[in-house]
Amino acid sequence: EMQLVESGGGLVQPGGSLRLSCAASGFTFSSYEMNWVRQAPGKGLEWVSYISSSGSTIYYADSVKGRFTISRDNAKKSLYLQLNSLRAEDTAVYYCTRANSGWNGYFYYYMDVWGKGTTVTVSS
Amino acid sequence: QSVLTQPPSVSAAPGQKVTISCSGSSSSIGNNYVSWYQQLPGTAPKLLIYDNDKRPSGIPDRFSGSKSGTSATLGITGLQTGDEADYYCGTWDGSLSGGMFGGGTRLTVL
Repeated sequence: EMQLVESGGGLVQPGGSLRLSCAASGFTFSSYEMNWVRQAPGKGLEWVSYISSSGSTIYYADSVKGRFTISRDNAKKSLYLQLNSLRAEDTAVYYCTRANSGWNGYFYYYMDVWGKGTTVTVSS
Repeated sequence: QSVLTQPPSVSAAPGQKVTISCSGSSSSIGNNYVSWYQQLPGTAPKLLIYDNDKRPSGIPDRFSGSKSGTSATLGITGLQTGDEADYYCGTWDGSLSGGMFGGGTRLTVL
């Protein structure tokens, strides 16, 4: 069974840092692109970041650019998100997702495996 | 603020059909495939439709997707109380170099 399990969330003060981890199992992790998606309390989904299967291509949402860093360790089948300079508006459930993308007439991009999420709360 | 626009809510009676729209731009939906996600209360989202109209294994054919120009539509027939959830459209935006989701639509089965 394909599975993603996030960890590392918690309560942190504004300006602080956290490192989220996502452990993958049940599929060949090194062959897949990965993302982080977040959801603030009572709000919709927000795409946060993307990393290619090799880690050579990375994208960020403008709201986190310069503060968050996505990375992966294919040998450990793990995805990471380093969160720095945290703000109250970063409070959310953070989901690790498996991505599929490419060209087939048009560009396709979708997330077919989701973790259960880890909660980050930024508050003093 | 989402650049994919969805209605905040829709409702219909059990057994009926409902459609949820998702409006974007030429750089988002206009040049990319659309996916749809279902989020049941208290759970993580789940992929419902990908590549505009394809269903992953295990998704019943009561769920369908379509795309025309810069808009996409999710259709659900034979509504069940278990379909009550939030539904999100998603795609890639080439001008932003990033993924995006619609604001979400809450489905109520009356």
